Amino acid sequence: QKEVEQDPGPLSVPEGAIVSLNCTYSNSAFQYFMWYRQYSRKGPELLMYTYSSGNKEDGRFTAQVDKSSKYISLFIRDSQPSDSATYLCAMKNTDKLIFGTGTRLQVFP
Amino acid sequence: DSGVTQTPKHLITATGQRVTLRCSPRSGDLSVYWYQQSLDQGLQFLIQYYNGEERAKGNILERFSAQQFPDLHSELNLSSLELGDSALYFCASSASDVGTIGNIQYFGAGTRLSVL
Repeated sequence: QKEVEQDPGPLSVPEGAIVSLNCTYSNSAFQYFMWYRQYSRKGPELLMYTYSSGNKEDGRFTAQVDKSSKYISLFIRDSQPSDSATYLCAMKNTDKLIFGTGTRLQVFP
Repeated sequence: DSGVTQTPKHLITATGQRVTLRCSPRSGDLSVYWYQQSLDQGLQFLIQYYNGEERAKGNILERFSAQQFPDLHSELNLSSLELGDSALYFCASSASDVGTIGNIQYFGAGTRLSVL
């Protein structure tokens, strides 16, 4: 079993939709949770960073962590075609950072 | 722009050859990380250096090696290349060590390696 599981998609939604991206993990030692966005042929860029359980909002993006269920989510409100990218969850404890395989999102006009 | 610079952007070479990928971290960052990204494997951690010292190893093959120089730039050396080594190679940097609270890795644009 992989330490971090993420549905690869692709996920195709119309512009304006609410998008939900999710990851599950098995290592209860993970304390820090991140979402990276990666456009085609580019490097991943950090989108959201959260510590422990709870919600964090930044503009149209909300990151949610449920440590009891070992489940994290990224919500994108009012999705735009420019949000089309691969979204990677990542999580770490004191000595390593593990990435999910990424979910490819396409937002069509 | 993340501030992490990787060269070259593209590299095409033949099986059995050796190549060197270069990474300049963000100004002031002490840690450098190397990752391999292929279509079927996702982003795989290879190795980390912190202030010139090897800090952590992931799924790095023995044919691969890396180092971080006194000016903090890093090089990843890939030798005896095989077709399966074709992938995107990313370098990331962070101000502190991976376990530090608030440690964030910033990624370069990557080097696309094609082994023919």
